Order: sequence, then structure tokens, then C-alpha cells
Amino acid sequence: EVQLVQSGAEVKKPGESLKISCKGSGYNFRSVRIAWVRQMPGKGLEWMGVFYPDDSDSDITYSPSFQGQVTISADNSITTAYLQWDSLQASDTATYYCARMETRRDAFDIWGPGTMVTVSS
Amino acid sequence: DIQMTQSPSSLSASVGDRVTITCRASQTISTYLNWYQQKPGKAPKLLIYARSTLEGGVPSRFSGSGFGTDFTLSISSLQPEDFATYYCQQTYTTPWTFGQGTKVEI
Repeated sequence: EVQLVQSGAEVKKPGESLKISCKGSGYNFRSVRIAWVRQMPGKGLEWMGVFYPDDSDSDITYSPSFQGQVTISADNSITTAYLQWDSLQASDTATYYCARMETRRDAFDIWGPGTMVTVSS
Repeated sequence: DIQMTQSPSSLSASVGDRVTITCRASQTISTYLNWYQQKPGKAPKLLIYARSTLEGGVPSRFSGSGFGTDFTLSISSLQPEDFATYYCQQTYTTPWTFGQGTKVEI
């Protein structure tokens, strides 16, 4: 079964760092892009960035809205993608989804269940 | 950035109704238009990609059409499990952008 499993909910204080994960299984991790999507409470979906874990090199494209605010990375050896913050703000409170983007579809065909991040003092 | 505008933002309908949601892009996106369904507390689910291709397992009462800047998602006969929020998305160029969502309520 193709699936993305995300790390659990987090509660953090402003200024703290955080790294959440998304593990892919059931498919060739290197052959499919992984995207990250933010959903703030009661709001819509926002694309944050995408990771291309191909065989030769890894490439990352960020949305301008999130460039410099987060870091996307991955460890192909354990088929896991990451989203991290160096210094969280209250406005980072949201649910973060990872999603697989198969080239043939150019759409997010498989989604993780989401990681809820709460940032509060 | 390409802006995606959905209408209406919400609608009330009954089981068996035909429902149409529109999505307008601020510039042409060819057929790089996808539709997702999201239920409360759940991750979005891909319904339609490339404007009109149904994802596997999606009921045939869902259909998509359009080209360029104007697109529609239609549900031919609304079922109880279809009450949800629907989002369009363009993947023509980065930053990939979503519409603001259309909530379909009873």
C-alpha cells in the first residue's frame, strides 16, 4: 500500500525549533516528488515547497511565501522527508501535510494525515 | 503568482442535487487544474487531475471541465458523503496555488 506517515502533533513555544517528518512507503521514494502544504486553523490550503528526490541529486523549490521561513530536506536512505523551522512563531500554528506528486498526474495524489503544530507561550 | 478564485465560497444543497463549482485562474493554466475534496479533520483527497481525469476510485458522478482560465467541478447527483470542502489547484507553474475552497453543506 502506498502511504505517507507523518510524525505526531507538536506543542512548542515561540522561538523554539522543530523538525517534522513524512515517511513514504509502498513506492519508489526517489521517483516521486514530495510537497508540503500548510493549513492554518479554519483556513485553506497553501503550498509551501516541493522536494525532488531523484537518483542523481536532490532539488528543492520553495513558494516565495515560505522561502527562508522553513527548510525542506530528506533522507532517501530511510525514505523520509522533513520540514523544519529554526525559530517558530505563533503564526506557524497550523496543520502541515506532506503529499506525493506523481509526475504523470502533476497533482498531489497521496497525502499524509497531517501534523498539527501548535506554537504558544 | 497565479491567483485561483473559486465560486461560490459555500453552497447549500440537498441529496440528489446537481452541484457546480467554478474556479477561475488569473492567467492561463492550460489543463493543469486539479480538484480536491477535504472533510473535517482529514487530509485532502485528489478527485480530478488534468482538468477532467478522474482519480482511481472516484465515483463517476464527479466530473471536471474547462480550459485556459475557467474550470468547473460538477457533481451530478449529490450524495451524503459528498458534503465537504472542495479546492481547485493549478500546477501549471510554481508557486502552485489553491483556490480558497467551496464548502458544500446540507
